[in-house]
Amino acid sequence: GAVVSQHPSWVICKSGTSVKIECRSLDFQATTMFWYRQFPKQSLMLMATSNEGSKATYEQGVEKDKFLINHASLTLSTLTVTSAHPEDSSFYICSARVNLYEQYFGPGTRLTVT
Amino acid sequence: GENVEQHPSTLSVQEGDSAVIKCTYSDSASNYFPWYKQELGKGPQLIIDIRSNVGEKKDQRIAVTLNKTAKHFSLHITETQPEDSAVYFCAASPPFTGTASKLTFGTGTRLQVTL
Repeated sequence: GAVVSQHPSWVICKSGTSVKIECRSLDFQATTMFWYRQFPKQSLMLMATSNEGSKATYEQGVEKDKFLINHASLTLSTLTVTSAHPEDSSFYICSARVNLYEQYFGPGTRLTVT
Repeated sequence: GENVEQHPSTLSVQEGDSAVIKCTYSDSASNYFPWYKQELGKGPQLIIDIRSNVGEKKDQRIAVTLNKTAKHFSLHITETQPEDSAVYFCAASPPFTGTASKLTFGTGTRLQVTL
């Protein structure tokens, strides 16, 4: 299957700072990538759809000024959590769409805000 | 919008037995149904998927069945092994309409295979 990587795998930052998470499709080009958030023992919650060369589409209730998404190339999308607070601590996972339907997920990034 | 329900939330089976996880969806327009396996601390892994033009798909010990009329689909794992222990998520997606297509996930099933 298609391979998606994320970096970093985990990060600890102080409250008020910003942190950037990278999502890369390693062996295919992805015009569309997705960013999810997952709390412990819960399902995946879609945050936004990232489209190469255009603005991201955010789900209802997700602050676009807080979660900045950039999809500058066909293999890279980034999520920047700005002015992070402890409640932003979570497991962030990206996925990339291979064809019209299939999505492959990255390994996730665990963010802890102290 | 689409709503996907998944049952059971936890499932414990003995090694070698079969496991069945069921999902129902609400949007009759949905036509793509993947299943993901998520191990602790990792991202979900696509294990099998089915499209609405077929009723069943099999890949070694894993099979998925789809009943479009009843709007439900199921994952079947036969001859379970300890390494099958994980959380399994079903999902549904409407037909591709450019960038708008997205997956709606079920709530997950924690499968434990005991020796």
